[in-house]
Amino acid sequence: EVQLVQSGAEVKKPGESLSISCKGSGYTFSTYWIGWVRQMPGKGLEWVGIIYPGDSDTGYGPSFQGHVTISVDKSISTAYLHWSSLTASDTAIYYCARRPSGGNYAPFDYWGLGTLVTVSS
Amino acid sequence: SYELTQPPSVSVSPGQTARITCSGDQLGNKYVSWYQQKPGQSPVVVIHQDSKRPSGTPERFSGSNSGNTATLTISGTQAIDEADYYCQAWDSNTACVFGTGTKVTVL
Repeated sequence: EVQLVQSGAEVKKPGESLSISCKGSGYTFSTYWIGWVRQMPGKGLEWVGIIYPGDSDTGYGPSFQGHVTISVDKSISTAYLHWSSLTASDTAIYYCARRPSGGNYAPFDYWGLGTLVTVSS
Repeated sequence: SYELTQPPSVSVSPGQTARITCSGDQLGNKYVSWYQQKPGQSPVVVIHQDSKRPSGTPERFSGSNSGNTATLTISGTQAIDEADYYCQAWDSNTACVFGTGTKVTVL
């Protein structure tokens, strides 16, 4: 059974750093993309970025480039989303999702349950 | 950057047809997926590659994509279809975009 298990909720102060994780199981982790999606309270889905564990090829959404870093540890089938300095506007649920490789047609076919990040002084 | 625009809301009576549009420049040249999100839950893909239904998606869900507009159609809408719906496309292999989202209300 394919599963994406995300790390637990976080409460942080502005300026602090944070990494959240997404562990894949039930499939060959290195051959599927892992994407990150933000959902601010009461708002829509926003694409944060994506990484291909096989070669660490990475892309970021325009609003997130330079503000977050996506990485992966293939040895433990885990992807990470990292902030070096959080702001209040980072408060949101962050989902990870799997995307099959092979072309610009594949959807995000499995999703994690989301990690709630709250940034408040 | 590429943008996808959806109507904020669509209302439909039970048993009737709901149509949700997604507009973007030359969207017909890209493949579109549609996601359903119910309150407190993660999104679920209901249509991919414009019109393909994953296993588990009811047959009442269908999709099309041509020109600048993709459309998700729910035929014989049921109360359980009440949710937020998002279109999504790839601008490149590493550049994704989501639509603005549409809240479907079954009256």
